Amino acid sequence: EPEVTQTPSHQVTQMGQEVILRCVPISNHLYFYWYRQILGQKVEFLVSFYNNEISEKSEIFDDQFSVERPDGSNFTLKIRSTKLEDSAMYFCASSPDYRPGGEQFFGPGTRLTVL
Amino acid sequence: QQQVKQSPQSLIVQKGGISIINCAYENTAFDYFPWYQQFPGKGPALLIAIRPDVSEKKEGRFTISFNKSAKQFSLHIMDSQPGDSATYFCAAEANRDDKIIFGKGTRLHILP
Repeated sequence: EPEVTQTPSHQVTQMGQEVILRCVPISNHLYFYWYRQILGQKVEFLVSFYNNEISEKSEIFDDQFSVERPDGSNFTLKIRSTKLEDSAMYFCASSPDYRPGGEQFFGPGTRLTVL
Repeated sequence: QQQVKQSPQSLIVQKGGISIINCAYENTAFDYFPWYQQFPGKGPALLIAIRPDVSEKKEGRFTISFNKSAKQFSLHIMDSQPGDSATYFCAAEANRDDKIIFGKGTRLHILP
């Protein structure tokens, strides 16, 4: 069964450093998303991406964040200068078509620890 | 108004019992209400979902009850099994939006 994959599973970085989280969405999917989950809290939407453009972003997704689909398979989230409060689990998701009601398929997540 | 409020935060149920998780929302633009199940080390996975034009949806041991006038919906897990032990998130989506709004999650533990 196709699945969303994410690398690395755990990333440790120093405050102020740049990190790139990588995702490989399911191959025929067209819509891509990033969510984050701070430990013990709810999953929060960050950004959605379609047709090589951001289609929606949350207040959390400020200028420190960017997304890119550099090739036909990868979808990346870059945090330019990490802060302590960026420590969280970051989930990538993809869906095959425009919702509403279409399922988003989530990857296993990348745990980001900012020291 | 974009929040989905979920309770309880944690729940312990005996094997074979009924697990009930409740959620409430304010935004009347929400028109799709999925439940996600998350096991440790995994991403959330869609379990069951409902639209507000029906009051109940059942899939196997999992049932969503929906009360549109009260803006509440709940997940019932019948004959709960140890394998159901996971974190459950209720969620909501609006037709015009491109994101899932999650509740805070319920950590369910089924005693063997």
